[in-house]
Amino acid sequence: NAGVTQTPKFRVLKTGQSMTLLCAQDMNHEYMYWYRQDPGMGLRLIHYSVGEGTTAKGEVPDGYNVSRLKKQNFLLGLESAAPSQTSVYFCASSYSLAYEQYFGPGTRLTVT
Amino acid sequence: RKEVEQDPGPFNVPEGATVAFNCTYSNSASQSFFWYRQDCRKEPKLLMSVYSSGNEDGRFTAQLNRASQYISLLIRDSKLSDSATYLCVVNMPSSGTYKYIFGTGTRLKVLA
Repeated sequence: NAGVTQTPKFRVLKTGQSMTLLCAQDMNHEYMYWYRQDPGMGLRLIHYSVGEGTTAKGEVPDGYNVSRLKKQNFLLGLESAAPSQTSVYFCASSYSLAYEQYFGPGTRLTVT
Repeated sequence: RKEVEQDPGPFNVPEGATVAFNCTYSNSASQSFFWYRQDCRKEPKLLMSVYSSGNEDGRFTAQLNRASQYISLLIRDSKLSDSATYLCVVNMPSSGTYKYIFGTGTRLKVLA
């Protein structure tokens, strides 16, 4: 099992460009999450999904959109990238809200 | 008061030492607790879930103290490979559901 995978691993964008980050999991988990991690701060939840076709806002959703068309995939979109979105993005999945989360390897995004 | 607080460290300990970290949480209705390990520029990896009765996995022991609202992680016989950041994660009520709150992490350096 691959667990949780993310593509791409690295990306550099110019301000105003758009991109989509892909997360895939093969553990048949219902719950999936997108986080960002910045120096000196804990992981902060951007959006999450409690099942196929559902999405919900997390702590820092502005500037991001998500979609969960298939149970195994969770996409994070940046419509118009800003330097403040320079960060490391982690996807995670879990069996339910009370269970442990499993993380993907992360995407390092730099917006210039 | 932060929802989840950890001492950022770093904790510098010699090989073979025993080291303990604490993590306090603000919401007494929190339902599940975890310790993750994060290596530099890598994703968080589950170290152990924390159960009410306490649990042990090899050199690692986790405890939960609901009365005082903290969890702890004890590492015995520290190895150089234990050097990492240890994240405390608490699953607590929020707006009719539950959310995972991450501490900012405690850095451990094991010295030869």
